Amino acid sequence: KQEVTQIPAALSVPEGENLVLNCSFTDSAIYNLQWFRQDPGKGLTSLLLIQSSQREQTSGRLNASLDKSSGRSTLYIAASQPGDSATYLCAVRYGNNRLAFGKGNQVVVIP
Amino acid sequence: GAGVSQSPSNKVTEKGKDVELRCDPISGHTALYWYRQSLGQGLEFLIYFQGNSAPDKSGLPSDRFSAERTGGSVSTLTIQRTQQEDSAVYLCASSLGGVFNQPQHFGDGTRLSIL
Repeated sequence: KQEVTQIPAALSVPEGENLVLNCSFTDSAIYNLQWFRQDPGKGLTSLLLIQSSQREQTSGRLNASLDKSSGRSTLYIAASQPGDSATYLCAVRYGNNRLAFGKGNQVVVIP
Repeated sequence: GAGVSQSPSNKVTEKGKDVELRCDPISGHTALYWYRQSLGQGLEFLIYFQGNSAPDKSGLPSDRFSAERTGGSVSTLTIQRTQQEDSAVYLCASSLGGVFNQPQHFGDGTRLSIL
């Protein structure tokens, strides 16, 4: 069974600092890994998708890396802003076309 | 809109009643997924549709849960004889089907509360 872990569960950073969010998974046989953002009471917004053959993806201030062999991904958010406050979820796609999710990193950016 | 649409956004019902949750995927997306997000539990997979068929329904927690999809579009998740532990946010996602390298796009979910 694929298990996904996100550390830390919650963190607060002052505005302008870089954010580093970690995700680990137990089974390296994945198709891809997707990072999502979830605001309170809302659904999930897809941020970045990394295919299993890729090492990283970038979009604006966001950069996600993937080390499939060690079962790890890291999401970097540069120069954090209060609007980045949200829960960030990591999900891996494997086997039978389902996603396995971590429990999320709850981020607060302090103005 | 162009996104995944779910209704109702909130549903409060009494224990023992049946509920139906609806998902309208992005136009042209043949794959559709249902997930459940419980407090402190994270998201868990329920069922996956490719077109109108469900090749993977292994995540449904009991036989009180069922889902169908018609016309390769709208899907309905039905929970019969609801229990308090069914209280959760039910999320629907869709993607371009048949390929594993496409992202899943989520709706805002239905928040279900069982009294």
